[in-house]
Amino acid sequence: DIQMAQSPSSLSASAGDRVTITCRASQNIGTFLNWYQQKPGKAPKLLIYTTSSLQSGVPSRFSGSGSGTDFTLTISGLQLEDFATYFCQQSYRPPYIFGQGTKLDIK
Amino acid sequence: QVQLQESGPGLVKPSQTLSLTCTVSGGSISRGAFYWTWIRQLPGKGLEWIGYIYNSGNSYYNPSLKSRITMSLDTSKNQFSLRLNSVTAADTAVYYCARDYGSGLGSFDYWGQGTLVTVSS
Repeated sequence: DIQMAQSPSSLSASAGDRVTITCRASQNIGTFLNWYQQKPGKAPKLLIYTTSSLQSGVPSRFSGSGSGTDFTLTISGLQLEDFATYFCQQSYRPPYIFGQGTKLDIK
Repeated sequence: QVQLQESGPGLVKPSQTLSLTCTVSGGSISRGAFYWTWIRQLPGKGLEWIGYIYNSGNSYYNPSLKSRITMSLDTSKNQFSLRLNSVTAADTAVYYCARDYGSGLGSFDYWGQGTLVTVSS
């Protein structure tokens, strides 16, 4: 299986900040990397697919980059509604593995 | 707008079979190149992909669960289902059904709200 290591596991920031979350794959996955946001008691929501494509309806302050094994999710200008948990997920080959998540909370 | 909704028992006894159904509205499960997927989230932990079933009936299961899983489609009801045999407390989780966009993307663009299944006697 392709394993995903996400960091940090938690992060504190303030509204208006720029934050970056990283995800590392155990082998080359090209650009088959997706990002999700999850709020308590809710299903995850797809933010970005294939590394950098913004899902419809997702604000442009979210962006993704990377290729191969190293990927980043950047949120520019944090809004209050962005405080949540974020997961990466490889879609290069099943079984599709998710990162362990990054909990973003208010400083 | 596509919507998914899980249904099934919230409590299952150890060694028994967990059975869940996902009802899809706003689109036909027999059309398109979508993969109808089950994902679970263990308490306080991350997400685990369980597997998918395609509209042809072909399926792919997570090898870690493969020996215990069966997925099926009911196109007349626009539903797909999951059966997980021989459950233990380790199978206690929130179970989500989701749509894999397909086309080789492997990204999940629509999700059900999730249903908590507890394995306990």
